[in-house]
Amino acid sequence: EAAVTQSPRNKVAVTGGKVTLSCNQTNNHNNMYWYRQDTGHGLRLIHYSYGAGSTEKGDIPDGYKASRPSQENFSLILELATPSQTSVYFCASGDLGEDTQYFGPGTRLLVL
Amino acid sequence: QQQVRQSPQSLTVWEGETAILNCSYEDSTFDYFPWYWQFPRESPALLIAIRPVSNKKEDGRFTIFFNKREKKLSLHITDSQPGDSATYFCAASDVGDNSKLIWGLGTSLVVNP
Repeated sequence: EAAVTQSPRNKVAVTGGKVTLSCNQTNNHNNMYWYRQDTGHGLRLIHYSYGAGSTEKGDIPDGYKASRPSQENFSLILELATPSQTSVYFCASGDLGEDTQYFGPGTRLLVL
Repeated sequence: QQQVRQSPQSLTVWEGETAILNCSYEDSTFDYFPWYWQFPRESPALLIAIRPVSNKKEDGRFTIFFNKREKKLSLHITDSQPGDSATYFCAASDVGDNSKLIWGLGTSLVVNP
């Protein structure tokens, strides 16, 4: 089973500050995803990637950037954090031809 | 507009009963339908999945019934256990792009002992 880790697990940020959420997967999956989960909204896709160097916009990309510097690492960057970005963020990975997405443990972000 | 809809939003059953969770979708090009479950303060994990070539998929106490004509599917949990209490997400992906999932909003299931 894929091992997906996220850091930090909890983060408190100030409005207007920069926040970087990191994700690492050790099973050599091509695809990686960033979601946010809020009560009443389920899982919403922010950005995803098909491999190192690639990033694609998901359904709610505004206010977020993504970076995939390597097969293993996928970062989500909030350049100017806002209170509306307070949420739980999940990273997931999946392989080409395999439909399962494997989720990391999540990062709880509070923007004050 | 929600392309994958789930009902009910929440469901409570007694231990031993059958829980039925419903899902419907709009796009006829969807060809893969996984159900994920998520326990409180944990991350989602794949529970069971089906493709339209089948109208039923069974895994132990968990069964998906699929109706392609009506664009509906349901997850039946027989002999429900308190440990089944979780949020269940129905998702779908498009033919040719199974890497991207469209998620429903989830059904919160509580199984009372």
